[in-house]
Amino acid sequence: KNQVEQSPQSLIILEGKNCTLQCNYTVSPFSNLRWYKQDTGRGPVSLTIMTFSENTKSNGRYTATLDADTKQSSLHITASQLSDSASYICVVSEMFSGGYNKLIFGAGTRLAVHP
Amino acid sequence: DTGVSQDPRHKITKRGQNVTFRCDPISEHNRLYWYRQTLGQGPEFLTYFQNEAQLEKSRLLSDRFSAERPKGSFSTLEIQRTEQGDSAMYLCASGGLVNEQFFGPGTRLTVL
Repeated sequence: KNQVEQSPQSLIILEGKNCTLQCNYTVSPFSNLRWYKQDTGRGPVSLTIMTFSENTKSNGRYTATLDADTKQSSLHITASQLSDSASYICVVSEMFSGGYNKLIFGAGTRLAVHP
Repeated sequence: DTGVSQDPRHKITKRGQNVTFRCDPISEHNRLYWYRQTLGQGPEFLTYFQNEAQLEKSRLLSDRFSAERPKGSFSTLEIQRTEQGDSAMYLCASGGLVNEQFFGPGTRLTVL
């Protein structure tokens, strides 16, 4: 069964600190891996997207890494801000023959940044 | 704001009632997806449209669920004879390219 597992489930950090979120997946065939940020009560917003040939992708203070051999990814947040408080969801895309991507979502890591 | 809108944002209904949600994707996008998200979980795929054709349906989409995209623009998701287990956030996403999926704000359904 295709799965995406994230850790930790929740995390509390102080403003200005860095943190790293982890994602392991078993999805096959693999098309790409994405990280989304989801504020409470809102839809997910894409942060990064990486294909299997990419090892790292940055978006401002967010840096995602991908090891397609071990099927692991991480999202590093630098110099956290209060507005970073949200759920961060790892999403792996499974390629279907119809040419579209079926997204398989992890349960997310709930990050709380405290002043 | 991703440009994808959903209506209503919140819906409270009694068990056994029918409900219908609407999604308006980004106008030039031909791909449209529906997802369901329960508390503390990531979204789960329900169904996918390319233009007006429904190309994929999850086994999560029971007989009580039906989705349409009649003119290849907006889409509706109807749930008949709602059950308490249907309470969730229903998310719509649209995309023009294969790798794109822009999510709407979701419709939160509460079944009493």
